[in-house]
Amino acid sequence: AQSVAQPEDQVNVAEGNPLTVKCTYSVSGNPYLFWYVQYPNRGLQFLLKYITGDNLVKGSYGFEAEFNKSQTSFHLKKPSALVSDSALYFCAVRDKGTGGFKTIFGAGTRLFVKA
Amino acid sequence: DAGVTQSPTHLIKTRGQQVTLRCSPKSGHDTVSWYQQALGQGPQFIFQYYEEEERQRGNFPDRFSGHQFPNYSSELNVNALLLGDSALYLCASSLYLGTAYNEQFFGPGTRLTVL
Repeated sequence: AQSVAQPEDQVNVAEGNPLTVKCTYSVSGNPYLFWYVQYPNRGLQFLLKYITGDNLVKGSYGFEAEFNKSQTSFHLKKPSALVSDSALYFCAVRDKGTGGFKTIFGAGTRLFVKA
Repeated sequence: DAGVTQSPTHLIKTRGQQVTLRCSPKSGHDTVSWYQQALGQGPQFIFQYYEEEERQRGNFPDRFSGHQFPNYSSELNVNALLLGDSALYLCASSLYLGTAYNEQFFGPGTRLTVL
């Protein structure tokens, strides 16, 4: 069965510093991996996805993620954090079944960016 | 272009009652998925609808049922409500195209409280 792990409940970083939010996955075939962000009292917003190809994926708001097949990781990164990046971040893996698909989310990592 | 809309925003029910939540997908989307997000947790996949049929289902009891209409909108029904059903219910839409890697667009959610 597919699964996703986000080992950190919370990440704290100072504004202007680089940030990393970790994610590891377990899949039986080729992984379809996603990152979403959730702001308070709002739904999830898509940030980026990895389907195939280049291991470094660029997404919205300056975020990028590095796919590492040997380490089964898909860490989210940003070179310079902003206070407005403070939110809840979810890593997800897509499991394609017969006739449809399901998305399996990690438990989430809360990012705090301090001014 | 309206995104994914959900109604109602908030709902309070008592144990044993039944509830219906509604979702209108983003314009042009034909696939709707429902998720349950308990406080402090990641979204849990309930089921996915495409072409008015349930295509995939997560580990939820039969008390959870759904429907998709010809205009692609969808309903989530929960019977015999339990206290543990209290959560944020998220609807997500996407364009199917026979692939598993199109990103999903999420609505703001319906906050269900069961007393």
